[in-house]
Amino acid sequence: GNSVTQMEGPVTLSEEAFLTINCTYTATGYPSLFWYVQYPGEGLQLLLKATKADDKGSNKGFEATYRKETTSFHLEKGSVQVSDSAVYFCAFLPTSGSRLTFGEGTQLTVNP
Amino acid sequence: DTGVSQNPRHKITKRGQNVTFRCDPISEHNRLYWYRQTLGQGPEFLTYFQNEAQLEKSRLLSDRFSAERPKGSFSTLEIQRTEQGDSAMYLCASSAIAGRSRRQETQYFGPGTRLLVL
Repeated sequence: GNSVTQMEGPVTLSEEAFLTINCTYTATGYPSLFWYVQYPGEGLQLLLKATKADDKGSNKGFEATYRKETTSFHLEKGSVQVSDSAVYFCAFLPTSGSRLTFGEGTQLTVNP
Repeated sequence: DTGVSQNPRHKITKRGQNVTFRCDPISEHNRLYWYRQTLGQGPEFLTYFQNEAQLEKSRLLSDRFSAERPKGSFSTLEIQRTEQGDSAMYLCASSAIAGRSRRQETQYFGPGTRLLVL
């Protein structure tokens, strides 16, 4: 069945470090892929998305590339800030159907 | 664009009581979704509406749960005879979809309603 596997957390980095959070998915066809971010006590905010193979989504210094051959959508940022501390969720929307399928989330803590 | 709003933000209730949550989607978004998120997990789909029609329900949505969107605008989610296992964050999302543009659909989430059943 459809599923998303995310890199297990928690992840702790120092400010200005490089970030990678791995995400792979299992789905048929060509799903749309998303990264959402959740700050403590809040709902989910869309961070970036990609809708077809080789698309790169980017926002606020974060990037992720839709890799159809490896069914992956890894999140990267070159230099993290303390304000990036949050939980990050990878998700996909299948080719047919309208329910988002989420990974379990990766807690990121950035220390000054 | 005021975003998706949800009320209340927090609800504490005793087991066996009924609770109702409200979601106001982004203006003119024709799709509205409900998800449930338990601690340390990603959100799980419950149900969704296109305009006033409820098009899909998850098997997670037991017969104690009912959702409505009577005029195709705001939606309510009611839980009857609450159980401790219902404690979770209930998230609402909305999207705009027209014609064959499914691939461009993006769901925007509200702040959630956190339910605690004692």
